[in-house]
Amino acid sequence: DTGVSQNPRHKITKRGQNVTFRCDPISEHNRLYWYRQTLGQGPEFLTYFQNEAQLEKSRLLSDRFSAERPKGSFSTLEIQRTEQGDSAMYLCASSLGTGFQREQYFGPGTRLTVT
Amino acid sequence: ELKVEQNPLFLSMQEGKNYTIYCNYSTTSDRLYWYRQDPGKSLESLFVLLSNGAVKQEGRLMASLDTKARLSTLHITAAVHDLSATYFCAVDKRGNSGNTPLVFGKGTRLSVIA
Repeated sequence: DTGVSQNPRHKITKRGQNVTFRCDPISEHNRLYWYRQTLGQGPEFLTYFQNEAQLEKSRLLSDRFSAERPKGSFSTLEIQRTEQGDSAMYLCASSLGTGFQREQYFGPGTRLTVT
Repeated sequence: ELKVEQNPLFLSMQEGKNYTIYCNYSTTSDRLYWYRQDPGKSLESLFVLLSNGAVKQEGRLMASLDTKARLSTLHITAAVHDLSATYFCAVDKRGNSGNTPLVFGKGTRLSVIA
């Protein structure tokens, strides 16, 4: 069990560019979540998947954001036409769909800076 | 809309002292999570509280849950510098089943000083 991994760990991009982040969950976990965290705040939910199905998208997820989990394993989060307000830490978490505790395990995050 | 409030938001403690962080939430839930975050790092799970009256302890930290009061506490005993971090509580967005997105408080930034 290597834990949740995310790539890249840091991304600096210019306003207007597109970026894509990847998340690899813990291998047996069927639920995968994306959160965004800005400085001094708690993480805020963006979207989540059960296997390959996207179950919910937050109103924070504008049309410029899209997420996929094509084979129910890794997931990607793409931001098109980045804006300075997109600068944040993007966190991925995964959990088992069954079991009593069902806690979410978080990856190291991708820190995005939009200049 | 579910709201989760923590207080205090900032806490400066002397080594060896005790203190309590409070987490209130606005809707019914029997399940609450505590996480720790070090600067620039991700979230580390500390406790999962699964029922009314649940109490869990790990080292100098003890967490409890009162679902009737919609209140959880994180008690720090004899603080040491290594406990300096930001502590978040979180509640399942929908009900008690788990497996839903989490709603987090703003976090309590704890600094333990000599």
